[in-house]
Amino acid sequence: DIVMTQTPLSLSVTPGQPASISCRSSRSLLHSDGKTYLYWYLQKPGQPPQLLLSEVSNRFSGVPDRFSGSGSGTDFTLKISRVEAEDVGVYYCMQTIQLPITFGQGARLEIK
Amino acid sequence: EVQLVESGGGLIKPGGSLRLSCAASGFTFSDAWLSWVRQAPGKGLEWVGRIKSKTDGGTTDYNTPVKGRFTISRDDSKNTLYLQLSSLKTGDTAVYYCTSGIYWGPGTLVTVS
Repeated sequence: DIVMTQTPLSLSVTPGQPASISCRSSRSLLHSDGKTYLYWYLQKPGQPPQLLLSEVSNRFSGVPDRFSGSGSGTDFTLKISRVEAEDVGVYYCMQTIQLPITFGQGARLEIK
Repeated sequence: EVQLVESGGGLIKPGGSLRLSCAASGFTFSDAWLSWVRQAPGKGLEWVGRIKSKTDGGTTDYNTPVKGRFTISRDDSKNTLYLQLSSLKTGDTAVYYCTSGIYWGPGTLVTVS
C-alpha cells in the first residue's frame, strides 16, 4: 500500500497568517497519463470531508483562492495564504494512483 | 444540487450483518464510480472499497481489512449505492460515508458491540 505521511499533524495559526501542510507519499503519484493523483480534503468539525484540491493544485468549485497546492512525485504541500476562522478542521491528503486508495493521517488546524 | 444520503447504520453485535444504503441525486448516478470510506471514532479516514460504473465494467475493489466480508453493489434504476457488511467485528465501528470523490454524504454510524 502507498503510505501517505502528513506533517505537521497539528498546527495553531493566528488569523491572517499563512499555514502550510506537507504530504509525502511512499511512491510517486505521477501516472503514465501525465496526471498526478493527489487530492486534498478538509473535514470541518462534525461534517464529512469536503474536496479542496484535485490533482495537486486544481481548486474545486467554490474553494477560496487562499488555498493552493503544489508539489510533484512524492512531495506535496497545501498552503493557506491567510488563515480564516472557517478554515479550522482536519486536512487530509489522499492518493488514488494505486489501490487501495489511502489517506494521510490528517493535520488538525486550530486558530490561535 | 448534488446529494448523497446514507442510511441503515445502527448497533449490531459482533458476527452480525447490516446493509447500508446511499441515495444519490443531482448527478448522473449511472456514470459515477462510487466509494465507501469509513472513519472510526476520533480517527482518520479509511477507504473501504469502490464500484465502477456499469459502462466501465461495474467491478468492485476492496481494502484488505474488509475483503471477503463486505460487498458493494449499486442499483442504477434507483440511484442507490449499497454496502453489505457481514461477519462484523468491533473494529468495524465507524461512520460510513459514500462518496463520488467530489461529493460526500453526511455518513451513517455503525456500532459493533
